Amino acid sequence: EVQLVESGGAVVQPGGSLRLSCAASGFTFNRFTLHWFRQAPGKSPEWVSLFSRNGVTTFYADFVRGRFTISRDNSRNSLYLEMHSLTTEDSALYYCAKEHGTMYFDSWGLGTRVTVS
Amino acid sequence: IVMTQSPATLPLSPGERAILSCWASQNIRGNLAWYQQKPGQPPRLLIYGASTRAPGIPARFSGSGFGTEFTLTISSLQSEDVAVYYCQQYDEWPPVTFGQGTKLEI
Repeated sequence: EVQLVESGGAVVQPGGSLRLSCAASGFTFNRFTLHWFRQAPGKSPEWVSLFSRNGVTTFYADFVRGRFTISRDNSRNSLYLEMHSLTTEDSALYYCAKEHGTMYFDSWGLGTRVTVS
Repeated sequence: IVMTQSPATLPLSPGERAILSCWASQNIRGNLAWYQQKPGQPPRLLIYGASTRAPGIPARFSGSGFGTEFTLTISSLQSEDVAVYYCQQYDEWPPVTFGQGTKLEI
């Protein structure tokens, strides 16, 4: 069974930093591109970043503007998101997700909450 | 690409058919997915490729459409279908984009 478990969310002041983690199990981690999404209360999910299965390619949403860094450790089956210069607009539930096919997603964690206040 | 869903809220009774609509601001061919999200849960993939059911999804869920207009149909509503439904395009990325959701009430 595929499992994705996010952690690291917290309450942080504007301008602060956080590092989110996603621990994966139940699938061959290095064969899949992994993503971070976020969802503010009452809003649609919003794509944040991806780290390709090729081990090199990353993409970010425009609103990240160099503030976030995605990384992965295939030896630990883990995905990370380092976030800096946080603003109130970054407050949301952050999910990691696994692709089923290219750019649609069949497995999501339960999320970790980031509150910037 | 902007995705627009209609209606915002859809109140129906058990056993009725639900028809949810999604429009793309430009041609996305068949590169559309549908998700179901229940309160306190992450999105669940229902449909990809506009019409292919994801593994384990009941046959009462079906998708159709191509280009800019898409539909999710739930043939006979059950109480457990209460959720928000989102469409998501993946024709042009990054970023992938979602519609604003349709809340299904029973």
